[in-house]
Amino acid sequence: DAGVIQSPRHEVTEMGQEVTLRCKPISGHDYLFWYRQTMMRGLELLIYFNNNVPIDDSGMPEDRFSAKMPNASFSTLKIQPSEPRDSAVYFCASSLIQGGSYGYTFGSGTRLTVV
Amino acid sequence: AQSVAQPEDQVNVAEGNPLTVKCTYSVSGNPYLFWYVQYPNRGLQFLLKYITGDNLVKGSYGFEAEFNKSQTSFHLKKPSALVSDSALYFCAVRDIGTDKLIFGTGTRLQVFP
Repeated sequence: DAGVIQSPRHEVTEMGQEVTLRCKPISGHDYLFWYRQTMMRGLELLIYFNNNVPIDDSGMPEDRFSAKMPNASFSTLKIQPSEPRDSAVYFCASSLIQGGSYGYTFGSGTRLTVV
Repeated sequence: AQSVAQPEDQVNVAEGNPLTVKCTYSVSGNPYLFWYVQYPNRGLQFLLKYITGDNLVKGSYGFEAEFNKSQTSFHLKKPSALVSDSALYFCAVRDIGTDKLIFGTGTRLQVFP
């Protein structure tokens, strides 16, 4: 398996533009997580899915952020409109059904810069 | 609520010396504990975990961690540090209610030649 795949690796966009980050989890993993990492706030859980259903989105900072998982092999995180304070590295992770016992597999992340 | 604490933002050690990265936890019930490493411009990578059994857990890249129930600690150790071990290290604990992982704030390890 190629692991968790995220695209793009880097994204530079202008303030006000829509940004879409993509994630392909490991086949067979039932949980998918979106994290954001910044120097100031560290690693933050934004939202997670179980069997394609959003379970907890309490970490999503604002209504400008939305996430979907239309099927077991694809998820998106969208920011509309984007702002400079959204600049961060966004990670996707997936895990087996008992995620807390097996741990997570992380993707390489998308570095987002909003200018 | 379950939580982990990493009391050191940064640990500096000379190459060849033993290293320790500290983690303490707070859980109700038996803890499931993890260590992850993040190299520059990469995602977090699994190093090792403790679920049950021996208190000394061996993991990837020569790392090990010691589970100490009385001190509620799960420190990461390596007998001889390498410059290539320089990275950000995260401790994590399973939240029993939701089964998701709760991550610490991370400790930056710097190994000097």
